[in-house]
Amino acid sequence: SQQGEEDPQALSIQEGENATMNCSYKTSINNLQWYRQNSGRGLVHLILIRSNEREKHSGRLRVTLDTSKKSSSLLITASRAADTASYFCATDKRAIYFGSGTKLNVKP
Amino acid sequence: DVKVTQSSRYLVKRTGEKVFLECVQDMDHENMFWYRQDPGLGLRLIYFSYDVKMKEKGDIPEGYSVSREKKERFSLILESASTNQTSMYLCASSLLRDEAFFGQGTRLTVV
Repeated sequence: SQQGEEDPQALSIQEGENATMNCSYKTSINNLQWYRQNSGRGLVHLILIRSNEREKHSGRLRVTLDTSKKSSSLLITASRAADTASYFCATDKRAIYFGSGTKLNVKP
Repeated sequence: DVKVTQSSRYLVKRTGEKVFLECVQDMDHENMFWYRQDPGLGLRLIYFSYDVKMKEKGDIPEGYSVSREKKERFSLILESASTNQTSMYLCASSLLRDEAFFGQGTRLTVV
């Protein structure tokens, strides 16, 4: 399987705190992406980081990539209740392969 | 905005039936994908396609086939539905192997 693995599987924090999710993958990649899914609906793209980049920012999101360790992290700063969702990393190797996801719960 | 439309939101079929799940995208994307999503297992790739009449197997193709006769349409076929194919099915498209756009999903129940 080409799937990545997210860690932790579930995360519960208070509003205003930061949330960090990690992703590990197995093969070499061209890029790594993070997606969000609300309540079992379709996924929405959040951010893409290319294999030659180490860090990328988008609003309250910060993504890092360490290709030597085959790992990535997604940081959501100053979390809000509306950030409650499942978050998935995705890697590309002929197709787009997703991990098992981290379920984030932000308590108001 | 890119739109990916799946033909049904909910579907109930009987064991042994042939089931067609349809997916249409309106942005002339080359790549289309079918995934199934089960609790604790994330999204698993069933089949994908990079061009019309072209298909490749993903991680779990057994029991499924696909058809891509036109660029905008990618169909997933369950040849003989079984209860272990009860799942959420998600279709996606992308221009390159970068940002993927998803449909709303089809929740299939096989009884």
